[in-house]
Amino acid sequence: AQTVTQSQPEMSVQEAETVTLSCTYDTSESNYYLFWYKQPPSRQMILVIRQEAYKQQNATENRFSVNFQKAAKSFSLKISDSQLGDTAMYFCALTEGGSEKLVFGKGMKLTVNP
Amino acid sequence: KAGVTQTPRYLIKTRGQQVTLSCSPISGHRSVSWYQQTPGQGLQFLFEYFSETQRNKGNFPGRFSGRQFSNSRSEMNVSTLELGDSALYLCASSLSGGAGHEQFFGPGTRLTVL
Repeated sequence: AQTVTQSQPEMSVQEAETVTLSCTYDTSESNYYLFWYKQPPSRQMILVIRQEAYKQQNATENRFSVNFQKAAKSFSLKISDSQLGDTAMYFCALTEGGSEKLVFGKGMKLTVNP
Repeated sequence: KAGVTQTPRYLIKTRGQQVTLSCSPISGHRSVSWYQQTPGQGLQFLFEYFSETQRNKGNFPGRFSGRQFSNSRSEMNVSTLELGDSALYLCASSLSGGAGHEQFFGPGTRLTVL
């Protein structure tokens, strides 16, 4: 069965700093996708970044980038130049095979302080 | 384009009652998935529907059921409510389903069972 593990429950950083959120996963499938979702206090779940397992190149979206280590089954998210609006719960998630079913980690609460 | 809408946003029920939650996907999206979010269990997958067919089901008791209509709108029903069913229920839609497609989440329905 597929699993997603986020070992850091909470982090706090200062505005403009860089922060890295860690995630490890396990799957027996060769075809899978990894995601980072953000859930601010409004509770609206928002996709931050997406990575196809078959692509070696790490995905990047503006200030957000990932470090995808396929052999180690690691998928960390780096947020550069942190902003107050980045304060949220961050969830790492996985889909595999042909299914749209997202398997989520427990989440990590990120607080960006002024 | 309007986002995913969920109704009602808040609901209070008592044990033993039943409840129906509604989800309207983004126009043109044919796939709808449902998730339950609780502080203890985190985000758990309930169902996935595509073109009125249930393609995948999570590990929930038979009291949880769902369906999708020809216009892609979806409903989920919980019968014989238990205190543990108190949760945020999130609906997500995607263009055509399948692993890797971006899923857009609605604001959720907050269900409280007394």
